[in-house]
Amino acid sequence: AQSVTQLDSHVSVSEGTPVLLRCNYSSSYSPSLFWYVQHPNKGLQLLLKYTSAATLVKGINGFEAEFKKSETSFHLTKPSAHMSDAAEYFCVVRAKGTGTASKLTFGTGTRLQVTL
Amino acid sequence: SAVISQKPSRDICQRGTSLTIQCQVDSQVTMMFWYRQQPGQSLTLIATANQGSEATYESGFVIDKFPISRPNLTFSTLTVSNMSPEDSSIYLCSVGGRQGAGDTQYFGPGTRLTVL
Repeated sequence: AQSVTQLDSHVSVSEGTPVLLRCNYSSSYSPSLFWYVQHPNKGLQLLLKYTSAATLVKGINGFEAEFKKSETSFHLTKPSAHMSDAAEYFCVVRAKGTGTASKLTFGTGTRLQVTL
Repeated sequence: SAVISQKPSRDICQRGTSLTIQCQVDSQVTMMFWYRQQPGQSLTLIATANQGSEATYESGFVIDKFPISRPNLTFSTLTVSNMSPEDSSIYLCSVGGRQGAGDTQYFGPGTRLTVL
């Protein structure tokens, strides 16, 4: 079984300040982890993914995430927020070695608000 | 990343009618999936669309309500049958197994369905 918990449903930051979106996961197997972003009235865009290579993963638009097995966390960060970062962010887990289709489990999402 | 299109992008339908949503990918992919995103909620997997065989449905979803076709490796349809207002959601197609993409899934722009 696998699950993912996004610890904050809503995060508000000022433009130019750091962003931290928290995600904890649970997986019976070594997981693949993803962050997707959904802008209003748009589809989901892949930000970054972890698949057992480097634990610090760099994604698009200056975002990065660090896989910490001991803490079962995969928090998303960005050094300086931009107004265009305002969106819904989803942490997603996929267990490896299940032998089934690539079933993803989504977190409940974190809405990021960026203010001037 | 894959280029995925969905038709229609949005629709408003009457209770009791059915709507078929199309998903087209720009290249052959191994896996195609259908998700539902209810208002203000995260994504829930409806089913895996299998090429040449019946779709694999997740718990809580049945073929009579959500018939799916996948005639080839680049196209799939989802029908929402006998609609009720509770079916008002965004329906998203995703693809996986694209060459070089590992287990990453890419999402279409979604179809926003409103049932009156």
